[in-house]
Amino acid sequence: QKEVEQNSGPLSVPEGAIASLNCTYSDRGSQSFFWYRQYSGKSPELIMSIYSNGDKEDGRFTAQLNKASQYVSLLIRDSQPSDSATYLCAGRGSGGYQKVTFGIGTKLQVIP
Amino acid sequence: ETGVTQSPTHLIKTRGQQVTLRCSSQSGHNTVSWYQQALGQGPQFIFQYYREEENGRGNFPPRFSGLQFPNYSSELNVNALELDDSALYLCASSRDRDGANVLTFGAGSRLTVL
Repeated sequence: QKEVEQNSGPLSVPEGAIASLNCTYSDRGSQSFFWYRQYSGKSPELIMSIYSNGDKEDGRFTAQLNKASQYVSLLIRDSQPSDSATYLCAGRGSGGYQKVTFGIGTKLQVIP
Repeated sequence: ETGVTQSPTHLIKTRGQQVTLRCSSQSGHNTVSWYQQALGQGPQFIFQYYREEENGRGNFPPRFSGLQFPNYSSELNVNALELDDSALYLCASSRDRDGANVLTFGAGSRLTVL
């Protein structure tokens, strides 16, 4: 079982729609979760971090965490073509050195 | 505040050769993590350095080794290169190794092994 699982996509949404990206994790001890955006050929850049159950909003982005269900999601409102990228879900596991584990990433395509 | 810088950006090696990749951490960050990202995959954790010591390692063989220097910069060394080592190698620094600290990535070093 992979530690962080995502659907690789692609997920296609029309411009202006809400994009919903999902992720599950296996380590119940994980405390911190992150969403990174990665454009083709570039390195990942942090969009959101979330540490507590519930929702966290930042502009057009909302991260949701449900530790009981071991589920993390990212909503992108009013999707723009510039949002087209791969979105990586990551979790920091329990353990002495607290490594960050990434999912495979979901490729999002926003259609103009 | 300077970001994470990596060098070289691209390099080509042949099987059996050795390679050294370098990383300068972001100002104020004392922890460096290295990741390997193959095409179409998510980043895979190689190891993490904190206070010049390796304090965590992923599922990579011993021919992957590293160093961290007193200024928190770091090197990744790969010996006896194999074709499957072709990937984007990402360095990420963080303010500390605690759970809440986010990773800031460099632009990466793209290694091609022929």
